Amino acid sequence: NAGVMQNPRHLVRRRGQEARLRCSPMKGHSHVYWYRQLPEEGLKFMVYLQKENIIDESGMPKERFSAEFPKEGPSILRIQQVVRGDSAAYFCASSPPLVAEETQYFGPGTRLLVL
Amino acid sequence: SQQGEEDPQALSIQEGENATMNCSYKTSINNLQWYRQNSGRGLVHLILIRSNEREKHSGRLRVTLDTSKKSSSLLITASRAADTASYFCATGGAGSYQLTFGKGTKLSVIP
Repeated sequence: NAGVMQNPRHLVRRRGQEARLRCSPMKGHSHVYWYRQLPEEGLKFMVYLQKENIIDESGMPKERFSAEFPKEGPSILRIQQVVRGDSAAYFCASSPPLVAEETQYFGPGTRLLVL
Repeated sequence: SQQGEEDPQALSIQEGENATMNCSYKTSINNLQWYRQNSGRGLVHLILIRSNEREKHSGRLRVTLDTSKKSSSLLITASRAADTASYFCATGGAGSYQLTFGKGTKLSVIP
């Protein structure tokens, strides 16, 4: 059973470009979470999604950031017009449908560098 | 916010010694989880302890939870060089799916 998959693992963008980060949850998991980790910091919650629904986006910046989890395909975290402060590691986690508030299984992360 | 905060920030021990890391949080929780992160990698789930549990074991790991003091500890016995990593505690609130992470303890196990 493959774990949570994220791609790309590393992404370099220039200021003003768009960044698209993809996450495929573990098989059988229908809950997806995105977290951001700045250097030497813990992870900060961004958004929680179920298929075709955003359940909680309270941790998402109000502008430039969006997330989706379509019926088919991976979850996407999209950052428009990136700035240097967006440089961070972005982690996706997933959990099975019935115990959404318990163990979350994390992917390897996407490290975004904005030049 | 119910933020977990680990201490110490960094810990260096000899292989074979025990390592103890502590975590404190601020508000009531449903569960507390410990994760390990190797440098530049993702998080690996180690153990989950629920608010009605006081102690839990998994292999060389022992976790305690004291809800009256809002604190938890992670003990790694007979440490190995491969245990070198950052360790994070994360709290989950009742009815909440957000995990709130501390800044972590960076453990170095010297062979």
